[in-house]
Amino acid sequence: DQQVKQNSPSLSVQEGRISILNCDYTNSMFDYFLWYKKYPAEGPTFLISISSIKDKNEDGRFTVFLNKSAKHLSLHIVPSQPGDSAVYFCAASAKSGAQKLVFGQGTRLTINP
Amino acid sequence: SAVISQKPSRDICQRGTSLTIQCQVDSQVTMMFWYRQQPGQSLTLIATANQGSEATYESGFVIDKFPISRPNLTFSTLTVSNMSPEDSSIYLCSSSHTEAFFGQGTRLTVV
Repeated sequence: DQQVKQNSPSLSVQEGRISILNCDYTNSMFDYFLWYKKYPAEGPTFLISISSIKDKNEDGRFTVFLNKSAKHLSLHIVPSQPGDSAVYFCAASAKSGAQKLVFGQGTRLTINP
Repeated sequence: SAVISQKPSRDICQRGTSLTIQCQVDSQVTMMFWYRQQPGQSLTLIATANQGSEATYESGFVIDKFPISRPNLTFSTLTVSNMSPEDSSIYLCSSSHTEAFFGQGTRLTVV
């Protein structure tokens, strides 16, 4: 039972345009959500998070949107840069802060020059 | 943030043997976590390592196969025991503050 789902295994975006990565979850107990970026041969790097009491969190080029009623969140990257090419994982936690995390399958983002 | 050092970074092991992976955090943390990423799959939590008590294992993972030590607040080890090719994965440790930070991972290949 996949509690966190990223339905797009890959996404290709032109440099300078907006990248939108999507994530759906099924567990209503999740109250904290995170996005991680992963390069090959490296561990996941934390990007941005959002608590369930908010619907938007912004940090520079990265914005995460949370729609609790739809159990959906998205990561917007604008403008997209070649260095953003990586695998992006959505993760969720049922406790305050990043305790035990449940990860999605990941989306491979490729930014084309 | 926290800096997490994990070693070895990769290893190739014979089936039936065991490998111990070490994880060092640059600050004291209450909980450390061990994850596995099988080829083409997502990260799956193996267990939570608490200092001073036994690790808590997730469904599908058992202590005999994945014994964990947590001798102090900055260090933990995960052993993959009696390995088979199905254990070939990336193993990652993490520590949790407000966000979870990860080590670089150990890429294990069992032949």
